[in-house]
Amino acid sequence: NAGVTQTPKFQVLKTGQSMTLQCAQDMNHNSMYWYRQDPGMGLRLIYYSASEGTTDKGEVPDGYNVSRLKKQNFLLGLESAAPSQTSVYFCASSYPRVSGGTGELFFGEGSRLTVL
Amino acid sequence: GENVEQHPSTLSVQEGDSAVIKCTYSDSASNYFPWYKQELGKGSQLIIDIRSNVGEKKDQRIAVTLNKTAKHFSLHITETQPEDSAVYFCAASTGGFKTIFGAGTRLFVKA
Repeated sequence: NAGVTQTPKFQVLKTGQSMTLQCAQDMNHNSMYWYRQDPGMGLRLIYYSASEGTTDKGEVPDGYNVSRLKKQNFLLGLESAAPSQTSVYFCASSYPRVSGGTGELFFGEGSRLTVL
Repeated sequence: GENVEQHPSTLSVQEGDSAVIKCTYSDSASNYFPWYKQELGKGSQLIIDIRSNVGEKKDQRIAVTLNKTAKHFSLHITETQPEDSAVYFCAASTGGFKTIFGAGTRLFVKA
């Protein structure tokens, strides 16, 4: 069982370049999330998708866009990369609780992005 | 919005000793408090969680306590082992899709 798979695992970009981080989950989870992790700041939510076809902003959405066309895939795009977007990006998925809340988050292994 | 503070940022213990990590949250509406463990090069995994209607929860060597009045919660690991070495994140949620994480604690267990 692969769980949550992210590609690529490493990427170096020049300022102004664009790229897409891909995330796939095989657990039939309804909800998916993109976080960024920076030293001393923990995990910060960029965007989330409560269900297929819907997306919403998290804590730090500026400079990013997302797409959830299929239930198993959640894409994170950087249209014009900036050095401030150098970070480790984590995708997660969950089956939300009936009573509310995300439920347990299942994380991918991360994608390390460096913007020069 | 919600803010979660976590201390200490680094913790070093001898194998067999206990480790305690503390977190405080700001939003009194938060009702769900998970703890995640991140091993080197891997994604975070849920190790224990607690809801606001419970004061304490235990799972083998791991326990979490919650003080709603003071708005703080703690992770306790007893009889630490080298494989407990990792980064631990506390988090808080009001029940929606936004889980707010603390900055993390890097735990070193010395054999």
